[in-house]
Amino acid sequence: DTEVTQTPKHLVMGMTNKKSLKCEQHMGHRAMYWYKQKAKKPPELMFVYSYEKLSINESVPSRFSPECPNSSLLNLHLHALQPEDSALYLCASSQQDFWGNQPQHFGDGTRLSIL
Amino acid sequence: AQTVTQSQPEMSVQEAETVTLSCTYDTSESNYYLFWYKQPPSRQMILVIRQEAYKQQNATENRFSVNFQKAAKSFSLKISDSQLGDTAMYFCAFMKHGDDKIIFGKGTRLHILP
Repeated sequence: DTEVTQTPKHLVMGMTNKKSLKCEQHMGHRAMYWYKQKAKKPPELMFVYSYEKLSINESVPSRFSPECPNSSLLNLHLHALQPEDSALYLCASSQQDFWGNQPQHFGDGTRLSIL
Repeated sequence: AQTVTQSQPEMSVQEAETVTLSCTYDTSESNYYLFWYKQPPSRQMILVIRQEAYKQQNATENRFSVNFQKAAKSFSLKISDSQLGDTAMYFCAFMKHGDDKIIFGKGTRLHILP
């Protein structure tokens, strides 16, 4: 069982819809991440939140809007997406200790299809 | 900039055999981490094994072990007694110490044949 929970598992939406992806972790991790993954490709980093503040935005289009309401939750708001945005969206979290960053723990992902 | 290269896009081995997946990386950093992640068709990315660059001893997790050659910047994964459940995409990954970003290789698709 994954310790990072993502909902929904599948999402089909039109280009004019507004939807949100949700991610939750209760491991006390201080960093949370959004990745986009196309088939047979490695994950591509989109956003990083560290201590609930956006620390990295990898030049993601504004039709993707992240939000971190608290240390356990991470949302990705979607609006006016394009067909090329169809992909698997992965959430991850990690902790940092004296020795540095710990490995990232991933959720199962949300399979997004844009009609 | 760091890069991670996996030269084997796809591999197939018979069940119970041993298989080695190759990974090389390029960095000017001295303190970093290397990972192997597994992504089965169920799609969750699962951490298989982790290696700290300052440790000379190769990491081992049950049937999974690495051959870490720091000078050669090589980090291969050996899977012993392979099982059908090992069928997955395997990603080699690099992370600089203190950084939040992971650099992934392009992946190796591994098929374990019955």
